[in-house]
Amino acid sequence: DAGITQSPRYKITETGRQVTLMCHQTWSHSYMFWYRQDLGHGLRLIYYSAAADITDKGEVPDGYVVSRSKTENFPLTLESATRSQTSVYFCASSAGDRDNYGYTFGSGTRLTVV
Amino acid sequence: AQSVTQPDIHITVSEGASLELRCNYSYGATPYLFWYVQSPGQGLQLLLKYFSGDTLVQGIKGFEAEFKRSQSSFNLRKPSVHWSDAAEYFCAVGVFTSGTYKYIFGTGTRLKVLA
Repeated sequence: DAGITQSPRYKITETGRQVTLMCHQTWSHSYMFWYRQDLGHGLRLIYYSAAADITDKGEVPDGYVVSRSKTENFPLTLESATRSQTSVYFCASSAGDRDNYGYTFGSGTRLTVV
Repeated sequence: AQSVTQPDIHITVSEGASLELRCNYSYGATPYLFWYVQSPGQGLQLLLKYFSGDTLVQGIKGFEAEFKRSQSSFNLRKPSVHWSDAAEYFCAVGVFTSGTYKYIFGTGTRLKVLA
């Protein structure tokens, strides 16, 4: 199916563990983004990517690592999870051209770090 | 620095009443402006967007928004609210920085609809 999919939908992990959240889009959009959503903070940008092999930090990148070896995939890794990383994570993609600056969001991954 | 402010954290309206959600932005150039809606446990859905031209834009689900450059505002309106409109609403501005286009979101307004 066309679209943007995130996996898993829910994840519980222990402090100190490495965990990877997956994001896959089928439109060949150039731009992909990871946001975290926390009460009182709205959505904050963690990392983004303008194309394959091009990534850059957003507002809150500490403790996260991304890669983008293929246009369609943009995994987010928490190298050593902390309780403060308990959040809902949203992946988004955008074509980035003049008529398509709107984002399409995935359904989110709810991560709990215990 | 670019920013988006949604001054109302919570709004409660009665079904059938009119609605206005406020959004103010700070950005040096002409902004690209968006409103998204998030139902509980769901992702974000685009309601409408403004790039240029007519300052009153129509969106899905009967929503509209008006861009006022002099007030740096992009308020969302609906003439008659339905119970299904209860959700969280996010205003966002699209900005170009370091050659890349990305969003800055407001903190959201949670809408409650009374029967």
